[in-house]
Amino acid sequence: SAVISQKPSRDICQRGTSLTIQCQVDSQVTMMFWYRQQPGQSLTLIATANQGSEATYESGFVIDKFPISRPNLTFSTLTVSNMSPEDSSIYLCSVAAGTGIAETQYFGPGTRLLVL
Amino acid sequence: AQSVSQHNHHVILSEAASLELGCNYSYGGTVNLFWYVQYPGQHLQLLLKYFSGDPLVKGIKGFEAEFIKSKFSFNLRKPSVQWSDTAEYFCAVKSSYKLIFGSGTRLLVRP
Repeated sequence: SAVISQKPSRDICQRGTSLTIQCQVDSQVTMMFWYRQQPGQSLTLIATANQGSEATYESGFVIDKFPISRPNLTFSTLTVSNMSPEDSSIYLCSVAAGTGIAETQYFGPGTRLLVL
Repeated sequence: AQSVSQHNHHVILSEAASLELGCNYSYGGTVNLFWYVQYPGQHLQLLLKYFSGDPLVKGIKGFEAEFIKSKFSFNLRKPSVQWSDTAEYFCAVKSSYKLIFGSGTRLLVRP
């Protein structure tokens, strides 16, 4: 398994501003993932971040809105840009541990974001 | 595209009752299946997983799940629930490198 921490744990932001969320893992991992969990809904993958390459975004998510950095094998950031109330969600960092078919994803505690 | 369906959105049980939460997936090939749990105020935790082999998978805290390929199902079970099992439960299927989650089931166990 992996121990994942996120900062901040929660924030209240004004519309039009941006917030950068940090994700730190206690071990080196190749793949890191960013998910969004909107109120009362399930988790949706935003993008996959591999060290040394551009993040891969899922349908409906774009780099201009959710820029991601992955400077090394233990750290990543997700920025929520030009926020609107619709961006109010929990944002979760996840990492893949294990190899091959035994690969399992573990999740951080999440960042609870409220946009006013 | 793959999808995951969880039929029960809210379940209310009394302590010691038996639990079964339904999960169906749409993919017909080799699947990796997971159940995650999110206790109130806590982060998502892995409850159990199925990759291959014995279709009956045992997880933490007395939970188990059965993979039935012919029914495209991976239902979660516990013979006797406790108040501390109150949480939201998510079924997920691995598609390539990513997880596809069901909508979740909120379980409330009354003491």
